[in-house]
Amino acid sequence: EVQLVESGGGLVQPGRSLRLSCRASGFSFGDYAMSWFRQAPGKGLEWVSCIRSKAYGGTTDYAASVKGRFTISRDDSKTIAYLQMNSLKTEDTAVYYCARVLGYSYGFDWLPGYFDLWGRGTLVTVSS
Amino acid sequence: EIVLTQSPATLSLSPGERATLSCRASQSVSNYLAWYQQKPGQAPRLLIYDASNRATGIPARFSGSGSGTDFTLTISSLEPEDFAVYYCQQRSNWPPFTFGPGTKVDIK
Repeated sequence: EVQLVESGGGLVQPGRSLRLSCRASGFSFGDYAMSWFRQAPGKGLEWVSCIRSKAYGGTTDYAASVKGRFTISRDDSKTIAYLQMNSLKTEDTAVYYCARVLGYSYGFDWLPGYFDLWGRGTLVTVSS
Repeated sequence: EIVLTQSPATLSLSPGERATLSCRASQSVSNYLAWYQQKPGQAPRLLIYDASNRATGIPARFSGSGSGTDFTLTISSLEPEDFAVYYCQQRSNWPPFTFGPGTKVDIK
């Protein structure tokens, strides 16, 4: 079955760290870019980060709200994408989703575009 | 950053009726716009990409149109499983990828 399963969420104090995992199955994980999103309680969707496939350098991008605090990475041998979250703030409280990226070739580059497979999410609560 | 606005915020309709949802961008996004459906407690599902292309497995009652700054998602005849929140998302100018605030389609 083609699916993504997030884990690693929980209750954490402000200023602490947490690492989320996104395990993929049913497709060739290494061929795809992956992305993380979040959704605060009762709110809309916010893109957090994206990592390209190794074929396109494994480069990363971040939302301004998390840049310098969060780090996305991937382990293709384990088919897992990670989101390392440091210096957590109360406003980081949300359900975090990972998603597979539907992208486009652009000359010699590859650009992410849309998100065609999502996990069910993991809740992160930042509170003292 | 491109800002997406959606209208109406809530759309109250009955099964079998036609739903028309709007998404407007703060600047042109060409046709680089997608629509997602999200049901309570579930992850989003990609419905439409590049303004008018249905994603794999999406029923034909869902259609998208528009270009530039104005886009529409139409559900031709609402099924009970279509009552959900719908988001638009642009890929024209990133980072960041941005989403609209959503339109909730609920049962009248």
